[in-house]
Amino acid sequence: TQLLEQSPQFLSIQEGENLTVYCNSSSVFSSLQWYRQEPGEGPVLLVTVVTGGEVKKLKRLTFQFGDARKDSSLHITAAQPGDTGLYLCAGAKAGGTSYGKLTFGQGTILTVHP
Amino acid sequence: EAQVTQNPRYLITVTGKKLTVTCSQNMNHEYMSWYRQDPGLGLRQIYYSMNVEVTDKGDVPEGYKVSRKEKRNFPLILESPSPNQTSLYFCASSWGGGLGYTFGSGTRLTVV
Repeated sequence: TQLLEQSPQFLSIQEGENLTVYCNSSSVFSSLQWYRQEPGEGPVLLVTVVTGGEVKKLKRLTFQFGDARKDSSLHITAAQPGDTGLYLCAGAKAGGTSYGKLTFGQGTILTVHP
Repeated sequence: EAQVTQNPRYLITVTGKKLTVTCSQNMNHEYMSWYRQDPGLGLRQIYYSMNVEVTDKGDVPEGYKVSRKEKRNFPLILESPSPNQTSLYFCASSWGGGLGYTFGSGTRLTVV
């Protein structure tokens, strides 16, 4: 089983602050996916990164895939209370019958205070 | 509306009584998958399917069965549920396993 270490586990910040969540592994992934989950609901896909070194932006959120495709980060600029939630990274293994296999990090619970 | 539909949302059952959680998607996705989510353990993959009649084990398949007889449906079967299968279960589907999944709203199962 490939392990995805996500940090920090908990993050409590004030509105307007910036933050970064990290997702690290010793394994290489074909893609790295980031999800956000609200209490009582299923995770919602934010972005998928597939190329080493790739950077994707979604409004105030910036996602980066490491050059070696083993790690990723999520940076939020000027956090807002609406960003509060559980953020999850997930790695997909490359090729063959393992292609549907997805490994999730433990998640980061973000709380943004007004 | 494109969605993954799971039923039921909530289920309380007794140890040993066979149950099925249904999952259906209307997006013509090739890939479907089941996960369980437990406090402190995160989301763990139970089984996944790459197409009709093609399934494979995830990280925690023990005590579960799946079948993929039609593209849109991927039921999760617990032949003899036990209390350690009490969890929040999610079904998800995708165009391709590495492209990102659309998740259902979850099924909260309690086995007493």
